[in-house]
Amino acid sequence: SQKIEQNSEALNIQEGKTATLTCNYTNYSPAYLQWYRQDPGRGPVFLLLIRENEKEKRKERLKVTFDTTLKQSLFHITASQPADSATYLCALLLPSGYSTLTFGKGTMLLVSP
Amino acid sequence: EPEVTQTPSHQVTQMGQEVILRCVPISNHLYFYWYRQILGQKVEFLVSFYNNEISEKSEIFDDQFSVERPDGSNFTLKIRSTKLEDSAMYFCASKFLAASSYEQYFGPGTRLTVT
Repeated sequence: SQKIEQNSEALNIQEGKTATLTCNYTNYSPAYLQWYRQDPGRGPVFLLLIRENEKEKRKERLKVTFDTTLKQSLFHITASQPADSATYLCALLLPSGYSTLTFGKGTMLLVSP
Repeated sequence: EPEVTQTPSHQVTQMGQEVILRCVPISNHLYFYWYRQILGQKVEFLVSFYNNEISEKSEIFDDQFSVERPDGSNFTLKIRSTKLEDSAMYFCASKFLAASSYEQYFGPGTRLTVT
């Protein structure tokens, strides 16, 4: 069966450290993988997209890697801040269709001062 | 910055009643979506809409659900006869037309509570 798994439900780290979140998927062949941020009671907010032929993408303190052989993406937040505390969602975009997203359950990140 | 808006923010209804959830997508976007998120669970795709018709729908989107773009700005989701298990947060999203654009913009959601 098709599955998207994000490494843990919650991750606690100290301010200033690098947070690393994992997204693993099975029985999918995504064309793109996206990461979204979701704050409590709010809609997801797009952060980064990486294509199947890209290994790494960066945006400010964020970095995403994509390994289609391992079927895994890693999402890094460097120099983390308490304001980074949120749930981070991995979403797959399949080659066919109208850009519908298939989401993982998310990892809740808590950055402590 | 343009944003997707949704009304109401919270809707309480009794089982068996019809509800209409409303969304105003970003004005130059042409792909529209509804997703839902049951409390504590993942965001799930319901339906996508393009060129005034449904382009894709999930297994969740059965005959009780319908979508409409009644005018140039609104995009609605109707649930004909609500069930307890329809209680969830419903998110509308929109996307720009360009083939190279895959970012979806989500609204703040409507929390639907069915009693």
